[in-house]
Amino acid sequence: AQSVTQLGSHVSVSEGALVLLRCNYSSSVPPYLFWYVQYPNQGLQLLLKYTSAATLVKGINGFEAEFKKSETSFHLTKPSAHMSDAAEYFCAVSFKAAGNKLTFGGGTRVLVKP
Amino acid sequence: DVKVTQSSRYLVKRTGEKVFLECVQDMDHENMFWYRQDPGLGLRLIYFSYDVKMKEKGDIPEGYSVSREKKERFSLILESASTNQTSMYLCASSLRGWQPQHFGDGTRLSIL
Repeated sequence: AQSVTQLGSHVSVSEGALVLLRCNYSSSVPPYLFWYVQYPNQGLQLLLKYTSAATLVKGINGFEAEFKKSETSFHLTKPSAHMSDAAEYFCAVSFKAAGNKLTFGGGTRVLVKP
Repeated sequence: DVKVTQSSRYLVKRTGEKVFLECVQDMDHENMFWYRQDPGLGLRLIYFSYDVKMKEKGDIPEGYSVSREKKERFSLILESASTNQTSMYLCASSLRGWQPQHFGDGTRLSIL
């Protein structure tokens, strides 16, 4: 079965510093990959998605992610953190063979220090 | 913009009660999903539906059932609520296939 691992349940960054959130998946077939963000007391909002086109994917709010097949990774980055980026981030994967159901990682909570 | 509306933001029920969580989407999406979210475990799929009157079990269906009588509405039912079902419940919908899922704001359910 497919799985998703997010390294680090909590990440603390200074305002203006690089944000790097790590996501690795296990699969022998090409996946669809997603990053979602969840602000307090809200549902999940799609940040970006990879669907086998360009390996570098740009999303909303200045985030981007790179699909690396050889490393089975889809890490999320943002060059300069803003206070409004404080939230929980989820990586998710789906496969055509699995009926396109989403499997989520455990989430990474980002704290931004002034 | 897609809007997925969950009927309650907060709900408190007692052990043994039958509990209904309602979800409505306004974009004619084919697919609808119910997840529960627990700290450190991410989101886990309870049930999903690809069409009216159709349902499929997710990863943790035990203790739950669902109903989809109309395309826009997907209900999650806790047949006999237990304290281990205290959680955040999230509903989502997607157009079809691999299209991204759109989420409601969640229902925080407490079973006492």
